[in-house]
Amino acid sequence: NAGVTQTPKFQVLKTGQSMTLQCAQDMNHNSMYWYRQDPGMGLRLIYYSASEGTTDKGEVPNGYNVSRLNKREFSLRLESAAPSQTSVYFCASTPPRRDAYEQYFGPGTRLTVT
Amino acid sequence: SQQGEEDPQALSIQEGENATMNCSYKTSINNLQWYRQNSGRGLVHLILIRSNEREKHSGRLRVTLDTSKKSSSLLITASRAADTASYFCASRIQGAQKLVFGQGTRLTINP
Repeated sequence: NAGVTQTPKFQVLKTGQSMTLQCAQDMNHNSMYWYRQDPGMGLRLIYYSASEGTTDKGEVPNGYNVSRLNKREFSLRLESAAPSQTSVYFCASTPPRRDAYEQYFGPGTRLTVT
Repeated sequence: SQQGEEDPQALSIQEGENATMNCSYKTSINNLQWYRQNSGRGLVHLILIRSNEREKHSGRLRVTLDTSKKSSSLLITASRAADTASYFCASRIQGAQKLVFGQGTRLTINP
């Protein structure tokens, strides 16, 4: 199993450009998550999808949209990138155990917006 | 604001010593989890403690949970250089299908 994969690994955008970050998991997990990590801020939840066909806002959803394409894939879209969105983005997934919700993380996408 | 706060923000110790990190949270939880992040990598799940548990062990890791104080601690015994990483606590709030992460403790093990 590859686990959780993310593409691209690095990206540089100009202000106003758009892009989609891709995430896929091959562990048959139900729930998937997008976080951003900034220095000294820990991880902040952007959006999550508890199951295929559902998405919910997290702590910092403004400026982002998501699509749960199928059970395996959960993409994050920046429609008009801003310098404040410079960050490292992590995707994670959770197996279908009702009480635990331990998360499996991808390697991250380092995004710079100039 | 963040559900979890960690203390200290940074910790530097000698190889072989024990390292203790603390985490506080604000609301009732189902469980509390600890993760490790090596530089430039994703987070890796270490250990989970449920709200009805007080202590849990896994290898050189010992986690405690005090729900009356809304706090947890992670103890790494006999530290090794490979333990150098950032450590994050994450709480699963009751009824929520997500975790809330603390800001992390950066641990450095000096040879």
